[in-house]
Amino acid sequence: GAVVSQHPSRVICKSGTSVKIECRSLDFQATTMFWYRQFPKQSLMLMATSNEGSKATYEQGVEKDKFLINHASLTLSTLTVTSAHPEDSSFYICSARDPGRGNTEAFFGQGTRLTVV
Amino acid sequence: AQRVTQPEKLLSVFKGAPVELKCNYSYSGSPELFWYVQYSRQRLQLLLRHISRESIKGFTADLNKGETSFHLKKPFAQEEDSAMYYCAPLRDKLSFGAGTTVTVRA
Repeated sequence: GAVVSQHPSRVICKSGTSVKIECRSLDFQATTMFWYRQFPKQSLMLMATSNEGSKATYEQGVEKDKFLINHASLTLSTLTVTSAHPEDSSFYICSARDPGRGNTEAFFGQGTRLTVV
Repeated sequence: AQRVTQPEKLLSVFKGAPVELKCNYSYSGSPELFWYVQYSRQRLQLLLRHISRESIKGFTADLNKGETSFHLKKPFAQEEDSAMYYCAPLRDKLSFGAGTTVTVRA
């Protein structure tokens, strides 16, 4: 299947600093990527839809100035958690659909565990 | 409001026993429906989708539009089926149910 890769898989940062998470589609081009957040033992919550060449679309309640999304190329979207606080600690997952495979099946990255201390 | 419900948080069955994971959805229009699975230490992956009507790893899911349900079933569970299962409707965006953790005991 199509491959989506996230980096880093784990990151620990100090409160007040910013952290960037990368999401790459390795063998296909994705005009749209999706960012999810997962709290322990809970479901995935869609945070935002990342659109190549244009602004991201954020879900209700998600602060766009807090979670900056950049989708500068057809294979890379980045999520930057700005001025991170302990409550931002979570598991962040990106996904993308491959237009060459019908554009409905979502392929997921391995996730990034963010811990803010 | 659009909603997807997986009523069972945990499901434990013995190997060889049938297993059924429930999913009910409340959406305007007809979403496309999926089941995604996450095995231990692996990323989320597609298990099956209603549109293809296929059986994957012995699992099937029947879409009942009248009851707005998309329950996942397997007649004989195997230990390797132990995982987290998510029902996921797609309409513009892919949403996820709360998930059901399945444990298959020997």
